[in-house]
Amino acid sequence: NAGVTQTPKFQVLKTGQSMTLQCAQDMNHNSMYWYRQDPGMGLRLIYYSASEGTTDKGEVPNGYNVSRLNKREFSLRLESAAPSQTSVYFCASSEVGLNNSPLHFGNGTRLTVT
Amino acid sequence: DQQVKQNSPSLSVQEGRISILNCDYTNSMFDYFLWYKKYPAEGPTFLISISSIKDKNEDGRFTVFLNKSAKHLSLHIVPSQPGDSAVYFCAASAHGTGTASKLTFGTGTRLQVTL
Repeated sequence: NAGVTQTPKFQVLKTGQSMTLQCAQDMNHNSMYWYRQDPGMGLRLIYYSASEGTTDKGEVPNGYNVSRLNKREFSLRLESAAPSQTSVYFCASSEVGLNNSPLHFGNGTRLTVT
Repeated sequence: DQQVKQNSPSLSVQEGRISILNCDYTNSMFDYFLWYKKYPAEGPTFLISISSIKDKNEDGRFTVFLNKSAKHLSLHIVPSQPGDSAVYFCAASAHGTGTASKLTFGTGTRLQVTL
């Protein structure tokens, strides 16, 4: 059981380049999330998808787009990368329910924008 | 505006002793709180949670205490073990946010358990 799988693990981009971060989960979870982690800032929510077919903005959505491709996959796209987007990106998933089920995280993508 | 605060960036504790990690929050709508543990080069993993209807939740060596009037929670690890060395994140959510478990995270506390 792989859980949440993120690709790539590392990426270096030049300012203005675009890329898509991939995320897939095999736990049949309905909800998926993208967070970024920066030093001294904790993890901040970029976008989330409560269920297949829906996406919503989180705390820091500017400069990003997302696609909920199907129930398993949730991708994050940077159309024109900026140095401020240098960060570690984590994808997560959770079950839908009233009990605020814990998030299950992938191992992250470390992105550097030069 | 940091709604969830972990004011101690780091903590060092001897093996066998108690580790106490603290977390404060400002949003009175938060009603569910979680602690996550993170090792280097890995994603955070869920450790323990507590609902606002409780003031204590225990799971083995880990206990979380919630003081709603002070908007404060703490994680106690007894006894501390070297494998507990990691970064601990406090997180909170407001139940009325719908079907997604949107969490607001603190900045983390790095715990080092020494021999």
